[in-house]
Amino acid sequence: AQSVAQPEDQVNVAEGNPLTVKCTYSVSGNPYLFWYVQYPNRGLQFLLKYITGDNLVKGSYGFEAEFNKSQTSFHLKKPSALVSDSALYFCAVRDDSGAGSYQLTFGKGTKLSVIP
Amino acid sequence: EAGVAQSPRYKIIEKRQSVAFWCNPISGHATLYWYQQILGQGPKLLIQFQNNGVVDDSQLPKDRFSAERLKGVDSTLKIQPAKLEDSAVYLCASSTRTSGITGELFFGEGSRLTVL
Repeated sequence: AQSVAQPEDQVNVAEGNPLTVKCTYSVSGNPYLFWYVQYPNRGLQFLLKYITGDNLVKGSYGFEAEFNKSQTSFHLKKPSALVSDSALYFCAVRDDSGAGSYQLTFGKGTKLSVIP
Repeated sequence: EAGVAQSPRYKIIEKRQSVAFWCNPISGHATLYWYQQILGQGPKLLIQFQNNGVVDDSQLPKDRFSAERLKGVDSTLKIQPAKLEDSAVYLCASSTRTSGITGELFFGEGSRLTVL
């Protein structure tokens, strides 16, 4: 079974400061890891993914995430937060077994509030 | 490029009534997904179609939920009879076969169901 934990329900950060949204995962095989963002009354939007290769992956809107296999983590980061980054962020995982539906398992989400 | 279209956006019904949600995926996307997002939780996959065939419906409560994608394009998700715990946002997503394998799904804005 695969699972994702997002330990923080909410993260508050001042505009211009760096931000981190935490994610840890559990999967039987090698992980495929993802971050999605959900703005109010909107659907989820894909931000970035890690499949293989460089542990630091870059995505949309200046976001990046660092894969750490020993800590089973995939934290989302941005060097300088914008008020427009305020949204709900979901981490997701699936294994690389290639079997079945490639089902994504999502975390419960972390609400990011960037304070002007 | 038009995104994933869903309707209705909002629906309020009483328990034991029935409801249906409609989804039109992005043109050319062979894979279609229905997710259930309960408040405070991450999205949970209900059913995945590849063209008009079901790939995964392991988490679909088949005693009350049904879904179809007859011509491999539009899809309908039905709940009959509804229970209070079905109150959620029902998200439709689509992908190409390739983007689905790499986890990049395109989500609609969702249909919010309230069961009284």
